[in-house]
Amino acid sequence: DTAVSQTPKYLVTQMGNDKSIKCEQNLGHDTMYWYKQDSKKFLKIMFSYNNKELIINETVPNRFSPKSPDKAHLNLHINSLELGDSAVYFCASSRRQDLSGNTIYFGEGSWLTVV
Amino acid sequence: GESVGLHLPTLSVQEGDNSIINCAYSNSASDYFIWYKQESGKGPQFIIDIRSNMDKRQGQRVTVLLNKTVKHLSLQIAATQPGDSAVYFCAEPSGGYNKLIFGAGTRLAVHP
Repeated sequence: DTAVSQTPKYLVTQMGNDKSIKCEQNLGHDTMYWYKQDSKKFLKIMFSYNNKELIINETVPNRFSPKSPDKAHLNLHINSLELGDSAVYFCASSRRQDLSGNTIYFGEGSWLTVV
Repeated sequence: GESVGLHLPTLSVQEGDNSIINCAYSNSASDYFIWYKQESGKGPQFIIDIRSNMDKRQGQRVTVLLNKTVKHLSLQIAATQPGDSAVYFCAEPSGGYNKLIFGAGTRLAVHP
């Protein structure tokens, strides 16, 4: 069974378009995240939500808007896509917000290419 | 693998050899560390973790060593197999333990 699933896996779109990536976790976790991985494999947190409440927003441009309809889902909507948005976006979840001794589980990633 | 880097370091090993992947951290107050493995086309997967009250922790074919004096962490993989080929990241909680900060990663390439 897929624990953290995100769709689509691949997305190619033109500059200026608006796109969404969806994420669902079936682990019963309280906390969900979006991470961005660039071409050099550097992983950086973008957002985290705990029980549908925004906890972390790491100075991500306003064009990125996460939405959590319930604690099992965290979607990422991106407006006016730019070339620099091309990256792999990973959804993740953890049992609770406090990560001391608490593992984060990642989805398989969504490869976004902006042309 | 350093915590900050401009390119992805690569460690090449022969199948059957032992591998050692290194990571440096800067915050002497850090008390929990995790190693993740990321295979090509997949998300990072938890391998092993260690708390700062330990110097060593062993899993199946993997050992993590923590040297708090020099703020250094290493992941040792015994009898490296082709399936171990991946990018390995060290990570630690930050921001009041609310987020996981990843190191730059090290690519492990296993040759037959």
